[in-house]
Amino acid sequence: AQTVTQSQPEMSVQEAETVTLSCTYDTSESDYYLFWYKQPPSRQMILVIRQEAYKQQNATENRFSVNFQKAAKSFSLKISDSQLGDAAMYFCAYWGNTGKLIFGQGTTLQVKP
Amino acid sequence: EADIYQTPRYLVIGTGKKITLECSQTMGHDKMYWYQQDPGMELHLIHYSYGVNSTEKGDLSSESTVSRIRTEHFPLTLESARPSHTSQYLCASSPGTGNNQPQHFGDGTRLSIL
Repeated sequence: AQTVTQSQPEMSVQEAETVTLSCTYDTSESDYYLFWYKQPPSRQMILVIRQEAYKQQNATENRFSVNFQKAAKSFSLKISDSQLGDAAMYFCAYWGNTGKLIFGQGTTLQVKP
Repeated sequence: EADIYQTPRYLVIGTGKKITLECSQTMGHDKMYWYQQDPGMELHLIHYSYGVNSTEKGDLSSESTVSRIRTEHFPLTLESARPSHTSQYLCASSPGTGNNQPQHFGDGTRLSIL
């Protein structure tokens, strides 16, 4: 069975600085998708960025980018120029042949002014 | 912006009551999901549906039941609520085709059973 691990329960970053959130996963599949979701306190969970496993190029969405290392089964999220609005819980998620989204434990990001 | 709605947003209710959590989406998505999430914790899939009249249990055992009579509607029911059911319940939907289509989430229902 596939698993997703986020080893950092909490992270903090100074406003305007860069932070990297870690995510590793375990799978025997070769074709799958990886996602980062953001869940602000008491607000809707929204998609931040996604990566297709067959693509070697790392996905980028404005200040958000990923470092996808398929062989190492690693999928970290880098947030550049951190803003106060980036404070949230971030979930790494795996989507494979089961058709189910498998979430990591989450990382709470604090942004300090 | 995703159009998926959950009601109520918050519910505090006594033990033994029957509860229905509503979830509706206006995007015509075939796939819908229910997750259970304790505060600050990961999401656990409890139910999902791939279309009308299709429902499956998720990875986490739950005493709740679901129905999918209409594409846009996926309510979750607890016949007799207990304090152990206290949690946040998140509904999500995604298009029927392609695994790269992300799930869109509702705001969630925070349920507290006294």
